[in-house]
This record gives sequence, C-alpha cells and structure tokens, in this order.
Amino acid sequence: QSALTQPPSASGSPGQSVTISCTGTSSDVGGYNYVSWYQQHPGKAPKVMIYEVRKRPSGVPDRFSGSKSGNTASLTVSGLQAEDEADYYCSSYAGNNNLLFGGGTKLTVL
Amino acid sequence: QLQLQESGPGLLKPSETLSLTCTVSGGSISSRSYYWGCIRQPPGEGLEWIGTLYYSGNAYINPSLNSRVTISGDTSRNQFSLKLSSVTVADTAVYYCARAIVRSSGWYHFDYWGQGTLVTVSS
Repeated sequence: QSALTQPPSASGSPGQSVTISCTGTSSDVGGYNYVSWYQQHPGKAPKVMIYEVRKRPSGVPDRFSGSKSGNTASLTVSGLQAEDEADYYCSSYAGNNNLLFGGGTKLTVL
Repeated sequence: QLQLQESGPGLLKPSETLSLTCTVSGGSISSRSYYWGCIRQPPGEGLEWIGTLYYSGNAYINPSLNSRVTISGDTSRNQFSLKLSSVTVADTAVYYCARAIVRSSGWYHFDYWGQGTLVTVSS
C-alpha cells in the first residue's frame, strides 16, 4: 500500500482561500468516507482538523472545510490567517483495519 | 482532560528492539469507546501509521511493519506499549501515541495525540 499523494507545498495570502488535494485509490479514499486532515506546526503533535471527509471537531474554525470527489479528497482553508501556516496531512481508512497517511503539504501564508 | 505521554529509549543500536510505552491519564484504555494507536514521523518526513490496539487486546498492524511490531496493553497501569524489533537507521523517528474514537464499530482518525518522543537508531 502506498502513501496518499499530496502536493508538497501550497500558499496563499492572508484572507485568501487555498485548497490542498489528497489523491488515493478506490481502495482507500474512493472506497470509504473516512478521510481525515491533520494540521502540524513545527515541533508539535498533529491536530485533527477534519474527520469523516467533512466533519469538524469542536473548536476547529469553520474556515476549514473538507470534501471528496472520487479518489481525491480536498481540504480548503478560507480566509487564510498567519497561524494557518503549518504542515497538513491527509489520512484515509484503507480497509482491513489499515490506515494510510499522505506525504504532507507545507502551507505558507505569504 | 485526556493526556498521553510517550516514554522511549532515546537511542538504540541497529538490530535492537525498540520499546515504547504510552501512559494514558484522564481516560481508560479499557474503555470500549476508544482505540489506542502508535504513529511515527522520521525527521523532516511525513506520518506513518504503525498500529492500533483495542481494549479487547486485538491489535491491528501496518502490513509493512507487521513482522516486526507488537502492540499490547496493561490495564493495571493504564498503559499500552509498542515493540519494534530488529531496528535499523530507517526506524529513526518521532514516535507518537494517540487515541481514536470508536465510530461505526471501527476507528478512522486520531483525536488526541501525545507530544511524541524521538528515537534515534545509530551505531
């Protein structure tokens, strides 16, 4: 099983929107509505921002939203703020109690 | 408030066995509502799921590591442990412990994470 594919970098100016993609296969992203997105600041543990494709945990700003089409999931950050600058990782259930992560995307707020 | 604290060896030599203990406070590893997982991150690289444990003792392991990994729980100490045998330099990483909520009878994302502990494999 291979890692999910994410672009290595993304960027946007404050106030803009940016979308990060996460591409898998029909055996993982496309096969289950169990895609999650994690935010990781340098030296910190990951924090879940989206789970089950589009659900937001309590406390996560509604500027963060998730979606999925076919084998590709997406995380959109609207109204970019300086504190959104971080690494973002997607993950997907891959059947048989397996979990895959993406390679990560470094989001830069210009 | 749930807290997870990793404790590990810090430095290992190639071929040794990595033993990582995750101590849980503010919650019980015996709860049927949660799974408990281990994830690692090599320096400057992405996340890799290692395995997940349920209160029943059932453990689910990443197929790419299956032959070298054991995950078990100690309910008396409210801890769960990872053992990774025959380590190499490629196993150098920050190792995290995390909790997953039971959803639709399975587990699909981690909602609480420990701070992580760096394990370095070097001769």
